[in-house]
Amino acid sequence: LAKTTQPISMDSYEGQEVNITCSHNNIATNDYITWYQQFPSQGPRFIIQGYKTKVTNEVASLFIPADRKSSTLSLPRVSLSDTAVYYCLASGDSGAGSYQLTFGKGTKLSVIP
Amino acid sequence: NAGVTQTPKFQVLKTGQSMTLQCAQDMNHNSMYWYRQDPGMGLRLIYYSASEGTTDKGEVPNGYNVSRLNKREFSLRLESAAPSQTSVYFCASSEATTPNYGYTFGSGTRLTVV
Repeated sequence: LAKTTQPISMDSYEGQEVNITCSHNNIATNDYITWYQQFPSQGPRFIIQGYKTKVTNEVASLFIPADRKSSTLSLPRVSLSDTAVYYCLASGDSGAGSYQLTFGKGTKLSVIP
Repeated sequence: NAGVTQTPKFQVLKTGQSMTLQCAQDMNHNSMYWYRQDPGMGLRLIYYSASEGTTDKGEVPNGYNVSRLNKREFSLRLESAAPSQTSVYFCASSEATTPNYGYTFGSGTRLTVV
């Protein structure tokens, strides 16, 4: 399982675009990069996942350069409700027919009015 | 769809007591997981079940046992609770073969051991 490193915290004003960068220097060939969001007193929620280049959904965009040693989660025009902890994970099939996610401490995003 | 349902939501135990945390999913997922989350920390994997009939240890299995009762249900048992097991416990499920679909988490069980 590849170790990921991301900032402990970030602040942003409402309406701004927020970019959270994650480094995963030892990512394996079959690892996918996945981001989760966690609100207080709730379980993490899947946001977006990618393998390389760019992925976009209704919530966020994920940018992954060609070397895949880092990735950037982009949240467009954040609102107060985006205040949460964001986790970056790199994981792939363990070979046993399943995979296990390892969560770091994540990035605590605080959106300011 | 309810997704992943955990019971109970809150529990207070005395040191040495036992209890079972229940988890059920209705998404026909093959894999299920138990995590614990301590204040200011990320989630740590306790046990997981890649498929019905199999279970494996995660990062912090000591003091816990699990049972994959059927494809839907995966329970976590504390045989003799200790204050160090005070935590929030999350159950999750996923498709087994690839990580493409991510995990779906339950809303958690907040356990306090006094």
